[in-house]
Amino acid sequence: DTEVTQTPKHLVMGMTNKKSLKCEQHMGHRAMYWYKQKAKKPPELMFVYSYEKLSINESVPSRFSPECPNSSLLNLHLHALQPEDSALYLCASSRISGRLGEQYFGPGTRLTVT
Amino acid sequence: SQKIEQNSEALNIQEGKTATLTCNYTNYSPAYLQWYRQDPGRGPVFLLLIRENEKEKRKERLKVTFDTTLKQSLFHITASQPADSATYLCALSSGGYQKVTFGTGTKLQVIP
Repeated sequence: DTEVTQTPKHLVMGMTNKKSLKCEQHMGHRAMYWYKQKAKKPPELMFVYSYEKLSINESVPSRFSPECPNSSLLNLHLHALQPEDSALYLCASSRISGRLGEQYFGPGTRLTVT
Repeated sequence: SQKIEQNSEALNIQEGKTATLTCNYTNYSPAYLQWYRQDPGRGPVFLLLIRENEKEKRKERLKVTFDTTLKQSLFHITASQPADSATYLCALSSGGYQKVTFGTGTKLQVIP
């Protein structure tokens, strides 16, 4: 199984809402990532978890709160977002040892903040 | 600051020809370089990875070269097909598995 799944596919939320994005993989990967991608731009790294611990936070505003409950799941909790946070949010996973680098991406969640 | 540029925002090519995409970087010493394909509204899909001590890598109709002196990678698709139409992203990492930085992307259109 080389699939990374993300739910929901689409999300519309107001600036006062609280919502969560979910990501799951069953490839045994111990590194998981959140990226943000705006239209016609490359993915931008937000967070990296390795062995379920946060290892990289790319100075992301605190209205984005990641969580890794176990080695297969990754959540991104959203609160008090701004319209400019509207984007495609991508989850990815990769090995930590052995063949490095290759990342497997989910289909993304299209987020619209109104 | 680190910069990764893909020389064309868009590239149109006739079916059957070889498409060549370029990735240039500055202020970076990547340990390895990757190429991904991304279709509209979908996540990137890994295609090839090449290490700093490798000159060339091939996979079916795909070929990647990596010149650390020129700070450049070339990505070739031979015998291109309309199904190859997508955005292609190069991505660099200076080491380890964690931090990968993506280039600006090239939108390839293969015309039948």
